[in-house]
Amino acid sequence: SQTIHQWPATLVQPVGSPLSLECTVEGTSNPNLYWYRQAAGRGLQLLFYSVGIGQISSEVPQNLSASRPQDRQFILSSKKLLLSDSGFYLCAWKRAGADEKLFFGSGTQLSVL
Amino acid sequence: AQSVTQLDSQVPVFEEAPVELRCNYSSSVSVYLFWYVQYPNQGLQLLLKYLSGSTLVKGINGFEAEFNKSQTSFHLRKPSVHISDTAEYFCAVSQAGGSYIPTFGRGTSLIVHP
Repeated sequence: SQTIHQWPATLVQPVGSPLSLECTVEGTSNPNLYWYRQAAGRGLQLLFYSVGIGQISSEVPQNLSASRPQDRQFILSSKKLLLSDSGFYLCAWKRAGADEKLFFGSGTQLSVL
Repeated sequence: AQSVTQLDSQVPVFEEAPVELRCNYSSSVSVYLFWYVQYPNQGLQLLLKYLSGSTLVKGINGFEAEFNKSQTSFHLRKPSVHISDTAEYFCAVSQAGGSYIPTFGRGTSLIVHP
């Protein structure tokens, strides 16, 4: 069966510090991968998605970047965090080419102070 | 481009009462529609989806939704809610046959009181 792991679960970082959130998927190959941010009362905002290794599409200009160094690994990064980067970050995957549901990780609560 | 509007940010209801969470969408092409549920401090999980066929879709935990193309709606309903249904509910839409990048609504917080 397929599983998705996302870590850490919570993170408190000072403004200006770097960020690295990691997401890995097991039990499938060539998944589509997604990073969402959920801010209070604002729903889910798609940040990045990837259809293959090294292929990253950005939905909104921002202080964050994403990378996919391996087929089932998706990393969200920042060189210098801003206060506005605080939020709940969710990684998700789905089978490529299939109009099916997204499978979500358990999320990372990021607080930038 | 597609968009989703969840008309209610919060819906309070008493246990065993019926509930309807509203969702309207906008799209110039055919769509797929989804409802997800998020329990506190967790990721989202799929409740139900409409891809094609019958416009009444049944999902997990006793929820159902009806696709109404003329009103561009996909409202979620449950005839009798439980305390455990307290959660955030998200409606999502994606382009049928497209690259599947779903757009989510802002969410509706369902609060079930005893």
